[in-house]
Amino acid sequence: KQEVTQIPAALSVPEGENLVLNCSFTDSAIYNLQWFRQDPGKGLTSLLLIQSSQREQTSGRLNASLDKSSGRSTLYIAASQPGDSATYLCAVSRSNYKLTFGKGTLLTVNP
Amino acid sequence: NAGVTQTPKFQVLKTGQSMTLQCAQDMNHNSMYWYRQDPGMGLRLIYYSASEGTTDKGEVPNGYNVSRLNKREFSLRLESAAPSQTSVYFCASGAPISSGHGELFFGEGSRLTVL
Repeated sequence: KQEVTQIPAALSVPEGENLVLNCSFTDSAIYNLQWFRQDPGKGLTSLLLIQSSQREQTSGRLNASLDKSSGRSTLYIAASQPGDSATYLCAVSRSNYKLTFGKGTLLTVNP
Repeated sequence: NAGVTQTPKFQVLKTGQSMTLQCAQDMNHNSMYWYRQDPGMGLRLIYYSASEGTTDKGEVPNGYNVSRLNKREFSLRLESAAPSQTSVYFCASGAPISSGHGELFFGEGSRLTVL
């Protein structure tokens, strides 16, 4: 059974700092890995999707990497801002329709 | 740009009552999903529909039924609500994951409390 772990569970940083969120998964036979953002009381918003054949994806200040063989992904956020405060979740897929989610990292960026 | 719309946003039920959560998407996606999110448990798949006319069980289907009414709409029904079904329910839609465009788009959630 696929398990997804996100470390740390919570992170607090001062504004402007670069930071890394970690995601690990136990089964490397995946189709893709997605990073999501969830604001309090809201739904999930897809940030980046990395196909299993890719090593990284970038969107603005966000960069996600994937090392499938070691079962790891990182989400790098450059020059963090208070508006980046949210819960970040990663999810991996081993089948066409089923994602396994991590429990998320709660990020707080302090002004 | 409505995306995925869920109703109702909030609901309080008594044990044994029934209700239906409605979901509609306007992105022409074939696949639709129902998840529940609980503290400490993360998101868990209840049911999904790969395409109009098909539905399949996810990780936690017991106590729920679904209907894929058409390509746009996917409803989740609780026939006899139990306190263990107190949760936040999310509907999502997307293309098949293997298509290379497997991003999921989520609704805002429906917060259900069963007393």
